[in-house]
Amino acid sequence: DAKTTQPNSMESNEEEPVHLPCNHSTISGTDYIHWYRQLPSQGPEYVIHGLTSNVNNRMASLAIAEDRKSSTLILHRATLRDAAVYYCIRGGSQGNLIFGKGTKLSVKP
Amino acid sequence: DAGVIQSPRHEVTEMGQEVTLRCKPISGHNSLFWYRQTMMRGLELLIYFNNNVPIDDSGMPEDRFSAKMPNASFSTLKIQPSEPRDSAVYFCASRPTGGNNEKLFFGSGTQLSVL
Repeated sequence: DAKTTQPNSMESNEEEPVHLPCNHSTISGTDYIHWYRQLPSQGPEYVIHGLTSNVNNRMASLAIAEDRKSSTLILHRATLRDAAVYYCIRGGSQGNLIFGKGTKLSVKP
Repeated sequence: DAGVIQSPRHEVTEMGQEVTLRCKPISGHNSLFWYRQTMMRGLELLIYFNNNVPIDDSGMPEDRFSAKMPNASFSTLKIQPSEPRDSAVYFCASRPTGGNNEKLFFGSGTQLSVL
C-alpha cells in the first residue's frame, strides 16, 4: 500500500511550470515525502524530498502543505527531457519506500 | 563511483530454470532494496536489507523467490523454479543508511524473460 494518491497523467507545454500534486492524508509526523521519477527504459531517479518545510534543489521544488496531508512537486520550466513517470512516496519509520502508480507527465513542444 | 551495478542486464530463460540476479550496491551504503516492475503491478518492493539483514521481505511473492546479502557489497535475488509470470524488470537500489530521510540510488535493472 503506497498510501499516496496522485493523478494518473498530466500534460504540460515545454518551458512552462508544472505542478504535480500528491495526497498523503494519513502521513505520520516522522514520514518524509520523497519524489522520484522514471524516464522511459531507465531506473527511477531521485528528485527531491522533505519533511515539513518547502525544499528547493537544482531539479525541482517541493511545496508541503502546512498540515502535511498533501504536497506539490514543482518543475519550474518543463523540458522535453522531463517527460517521465513521477512518484510521490512516503518514507516510513521502518525505512522502506513503497512506490505507487505515479503520474505520467507528458511535455508538448 | 560506478553507481549500483546489476547483472545481467538481460536474461532469457525457460520455465522451470533457476535464475539468479546480482547486485553490487554503492560502496559504503548500508541499505539495499530489490524491486520488481511490470506493466500490470507497477514498481513493487520485494525485500529490503539494512546492514545485510532482511528488514522487510513481505513483498517476496512466494517461496520460489529468495534473496541474500552475504556481505555489504553483494546481493542476489534467486528464482527457483522460474515461471512466465516472473517476467519483469528487476531493480536493485541502495542507500547510505536505513534512515527514511535519505535518497535511493537505483541500478539500471535486469530485464527477465521467462519463456
